[in-house]
Amino acid sequence: SQTIHQWPATLVQPVGSPLSLECTVEGTSNPNLYWYRQAAGRGLQLLFYSVGIGQISSEVPQNLSASRPQDRQFILSSKKLLLSDSGFYLCAWSTGLYGYTFGSGTRLTVV
Amino acid sequence: LAKTTQPISMDSYEGQEVNITCSHNNIATNDYITWYQQFPSQGPRFIIQGYKTKVTNEVASLFIPADRKSSTLSLPRVSLSDTAVYYCLVNRDDKIIFGKGTRLHILP
Repeated sequence: SQTIHQWPATLVQPVGSPLSLECTVEGTSNPNLYWYRQAAGRGLQLLFYSVGIGQISSEVPQNLSASRPQDRQFILSSKKLLLSDSGFYLCAWSTGLYGYTFGSGTRLTVV
Repeated sequence: LAKTTQPISMDSYEGQEVNITCSHNNIATNDYITWYQQFPSQGPRFIIQGYKTKVTNEVASLFIPADRKSSTLSLPRVSLSDTAVYYCLVNRDDKIIFGKGTRLHILP
């Protein structure tokens, strides 16, 4: 069966520090991968999506970047975190049109 | 991508049937309608998907009229554990955009 792993579950980082969140998928090949962010009490904002290795589409220009070094690995990064980067980060995958599966999320607090 | 409009919040009581309607006036021929449920501090969970008429699974029913410009998610006999945010999505591409969703609050 397909599973998605996302870590860490929670993270507290100081302003100006780097960030690396990792997401891996098991049990499927060539998935579409996505990073979403949800600010407190808000909806989900699509940040990046990838349809293949090395292929990244950015939806919102900001202080973050994404990379897909392997077929089932998606990484969200920042060189210098801002207070506004705080939020709940979710990784998701799909193999087509019918339904997305989300990871358990990472709650990032920038202090 | 088709834009969706749904109520910001709804209240209901345990045991009641809850219907959440979503408008998607500019839905395209190839678009499907999908609903997700999200609990606090969790990722959204797929509930149901449909293209036209009616779809039913063990969790919910989805009603889609002939013009497909709206859809209604029906939750039978809700319980307190159904308190969550429900998102209506219309998608055909490789990416989906979430709206603000409907915050459903079930009261005892």
